[in-house]
Amino acid sequence: SQQGEEDPQALSIQEGENATMNCSYKTSINNLQWYRQNSGRGLVHLILIRSNEREKHSGRLRVTLDTSKKSSSLLITASRAADTASYFCATDDNQGGKLIFGQGTELSVKP
Amino acid sequence: DAGVIQSPRHEVTEMGQEVTLRCKPISGHDYLFWYRQTMMRGLELLIYFNNNVPIDDSGMPEDRFSAKMPNASFSTLKIQPSEPRDSAVYFCASSLEGYTFGSGTRLTVV
Repeated sequence: SQQGEEDPQALSIQEGENATMNCSYKTSINNLQWYRQNSGRGLVHLILIRSNEREKHSGRLRVTLDTSKKSSSLLITASRAADTASYFCATDDNQGGKLIFGQGTELSVKP
Repeated sequence: DAGVIQSPRHEVTEMGQEVTLRCKPISGHDYLFWYRQTMMRGLELLIYFNNNVPIDDSGMPEDRFSAKMPNASFSTLKIQPSEPRDSAVYFCASSLEGYTFGSGTRLTVV
């Protein structure tokens, strides 16, 4: 069963704009992670935010976590065409280390 | 570090045949996961191991699916007999803290 639900399912923006993707989940978590997947490739870990953290930055990425609302957002600033990919959130509910993934947001950045 | 290595990258097989997918995790990672990805169902966790021991196989769809991890550096996922609905991309991932995914095996059962 899916734990994380991403919103929107698809997002198309122009290069230079910011992209915001949201994720909601259902149960208590230990941490929440964001992954990126280019077409036909494996998933690449982007960033991890722990349940006691509210915001985290990594380069052009900014992740927020609101455990009261069971939601997270991923912001990509100053997007580039190379950011075109699918982005997934995944939650670790501290039940043995497994991650449950959402359905993903397909981001298209047009040059 | 070569990362998580999966083989084969692509597999096309006829319905009813046995399929074996292979995974070499990153040395030192104590967790290994098998996921399946389809357009309809997204990423599904099939089974995972901790220190070579299967912890949760509740995601394995049917008895036709089995997975083993005979040692810390090797795992297999076997489907026998295979069916067209098994067609998907199968990912292996290993972790110590964060996950590292392999490039996947694209399985097509005709």
